[in-house]
Amino acid sequence: EAGVAQSPRYKIIEKRQSVAFWCNPISGHATLYWYQQILGQGPKLLIQFQNNGVVDDSQLPKDRFSAERLKGVDSTLKIQPAKLEDSAVYLCASSTDRDRYNEQFFGPGTRLTVL
Amino acid sequence: GEDVEQSLFLSVREGDSSVINCTYTDSSSTYLYWYKQEPGAGLQLLTYIFSNMDMKQDQRLTVLLNKKDKHLSLRIADTQTGDSAIYFCAEAGGFKTIFGAGTRLFVKA
Repeated sequence: EAGVAQSPRYKIIEKRQSVAFWCNPISGHATLYWYQQILGQGPKLLIQFQNNGVVDDSQLPKDRFSAERLKGVDSTLKIQPAKLEDSAVYLCASSTDRDRYNEQFFGPGTRLTVL
Repeated sequence: GEDVEQSLFLSVREGDSSVINCTYTDSSSTYLYWYKQEPGAGLQLLTYIFSNMDMKQDQRLTVLLNKKDKHLSLRIADTQTGDSAIYFCAEAGGFKTIFGAGTRLFVKA
């Protein structure tokens, strides 16, 4: 089974520019997560979708971050405008609702550097 | 609020056992997890334990849960150089999973 795909793998931008990340979850997985992982820290949940509805976006900085999951499959995360503190790895994960322990499958991440 | 804490580094010799510790705060956590992250890769679930269990063994991995002290540990027997990675403890209650900052395991040959 193919894993979670993310693109691009790396992105370097200047502050105040915009950037978008793309995620394709494992086929059939209803739940999709976007995490921010700052160097030396654990992943922090930004937003969680179930199908194409938002379950939790309480930690998403909504003045600059937005995310959508059209048709309940692929998802994009956008930052506009970027700040220096947005430099991090952005991880996408997906999970099925069919197992009780809710294993999350992670993509390789997009490493964002804001200069 | 919810928080998960772990020590940042652990160094062991090949063949020895590794023990990685974690404390968490949410007493309503249903599942606790150990994820592994290798360089340049996403996290991968290693093992998990349900909150009403004290111990779980899976080949070289042993997970111990002390619910009273909110303490979780991961023991890796016969540690190999391929076990060098970052290990994340995580807790889940309801929809949200909270991750610790990760413990970087160095295995010396």
